[in-house]
Amino acid sequence: AQTVTQSQPEMSVQEAETVTLSCTYDTSENNYYLFWYKQPPSRQMILVIRQEAYKQQNATENRFSVNFQKAAKSFSLKISDSQLGDTAMYFCAFMKPQAGTALIFGKGTTLSVSS
Amino acid sequence: DAGVIQSPRHEVTEMGQEVTLRCKPISGHDYLFWYRQTMMRGLELLIYFNNNVPIDDSGMPEDRFSAKMPNASFSTLKIQPSEPRDSAVYFCASSLGQGIGGELFFGEGSRLTVL
Repeated sequence: AQTVTQSQPEMSVQEAETVTLSCTYDTSENNYYLFWYKQPPSRQMILVIRQEAYKQQNATENRFSVNFQKAAKSFSLKISDSQLGDTAMYFCAFMKPQAGTALIFGKGTTLSVSS
Repeated sequence: DAGVIQSPRHEVTEMGQEVTLRCKPISGHDYLFWYRQTMMRGLELLIYFNNNVPIDDSGMPEDRFSAKMPNASFSTLKIQPSEPRDSAVYFCASSLGQGIGGELFFGEGSRLTVL
């Protein structure tokens, strides 16, 4: 069975700084998908970034980028130029490559951005 | 599109009462997922449907929980009888399964409190 581990329950950062959230996972699959979701206080789950395991290039979405290390089964999220609106819980998630499969989530990291 | 719509947004009930949570997926999506979020266990998959048919209900905690999808635009999650340990936020999500590795779109969740 696949598992996703986020070892940092809470993190804090100042505005404009860079922060990295860690995620490791365990799977025997060779192809799969990895995601970071953001959950602000409103509870809405918002997709931040997505990575396909067969792509070596790390995904980037504006201020958000990942460091995907397939051999190490590591998938960290880097947030550059942190903003107050980045305050949220961040979830790392794994998906097998079959159509319509469910996401398996880590337990989340609560990120607080202060001014 | 209005996104995934869940109701009620908040529900407070007493132990032993029946609870019904409702979900309207995004039109055209053929997969529907029910997740439960608690502080202790994070986001857990309860059940998911493909074309209205339950595919995997191994995450349903016990017989007190049941889920139905009578048509492509509506699903319910029922708890009968409810217990205090069922208190959690319940999320519904939908996806277009033809896109392997496709994004799950989440509703805003239903916060259930069982007294």
